[in-house]
Amino acid sequence: DTGVSQNPRHKITKRGQNVTFRCDPISEHNRLYWYRQTLGQGPEFLTYFQNEAQLEKSRLLSDRFSAERPKGSFSTLEIQRTEQGDSAMYLCASRKTGDYTEAFFGQGTRLTVV
Amino acid sequence: GQQVMQIPQYQHVQEGEDFTTYCNSSTTLSNIQWYKQRPGGHPVFLIQLVKSGEVKKQKRLTFQFGEAKKNSSLHITATQTTDVGTYFCAASLNTGTASKLTFGTGTRLQVTL
Repeated sequence: DTGVSQNPRHKITKRGQNVTFRCDPISEHNRLYWYRQTLGQGPEFLTYFQNEAQLEKSRLLSDRFSAERPKGSFSTLEIQRTEQGDSAMYLCASRKTGDYTEAFFGQGTRLTVV
Repeated sequence: GQQVMQIPQYQHVQEGEDFTTYCNSSTTLSNIQWYKQRPGGHPVFLIQLVKSGEVKKQKRLTFQFGEAKKNSSLHITATQTTDVGTYFCAASLNTGTASKLTFGTGTRLQVTL
C-alpha cells in the first residue's frame, strides 16, 4: 500500500498523559499536513512541513502540541498533558510541492481523552 | 484572517433531487479543490479548478469557479444514496513563505429514498 499511513488508528488516554501519533506520507510527497477534525466540522489546520522544515503552526495550537518531521520523511505529532478538549480525529495529509497538487489523507488517529 | 466558508452546513434531499453547495473566500484564490468525506472515512480528492469561470463535470457532478476566483460551487444532479457524505472545498492560502491548504466548513449531504 503506497498511501498515507497513520498509527495508531485509535488511542484512549487518561487526562494529563502524553501521546504521540505517527504519519508516513506517500514517499515522493514533499509537503505534509496535520489537521484536527471534530464531529461535524471540517479539518482544522494544525501545522505543515515542506520536507523537514515546519513552515507554519496554527496560532490556535497551544504549546502542548509539537510536531516533527526528521529527514523529511515520516512525521510525529505529540500532545503533552492531554485534556478532554483534545479528543478528536487527527488527520495527516501529504502532497507534492506546489499549490496545484491534490492532498492525500491517511485514515486518521482517533484520540479519546478520558 | 483568511477563511473559506461553505453553505449550507447541512442538506437533506430525497433521492433524485438536485443538490448544491457553495464555497466563499474573502480573498482571491489561485485555485480551489473539492473533497468528499464519507461517514467514518477520510477526505478524498474530487477535482481542482484553476481558471476564472472554469466549469468541470464529473458524471452528475458539476464544479464551477467564480469569475473573481473568490467563490466556487458544486452541483449534483439527481442525487443518489451513494452521494451521501460531507463535501469540502479547500484552498491554498498564501501565508508568506509558502501556501497552506485550508478547508472550508463543509456541507453534509443526506440522501433518503
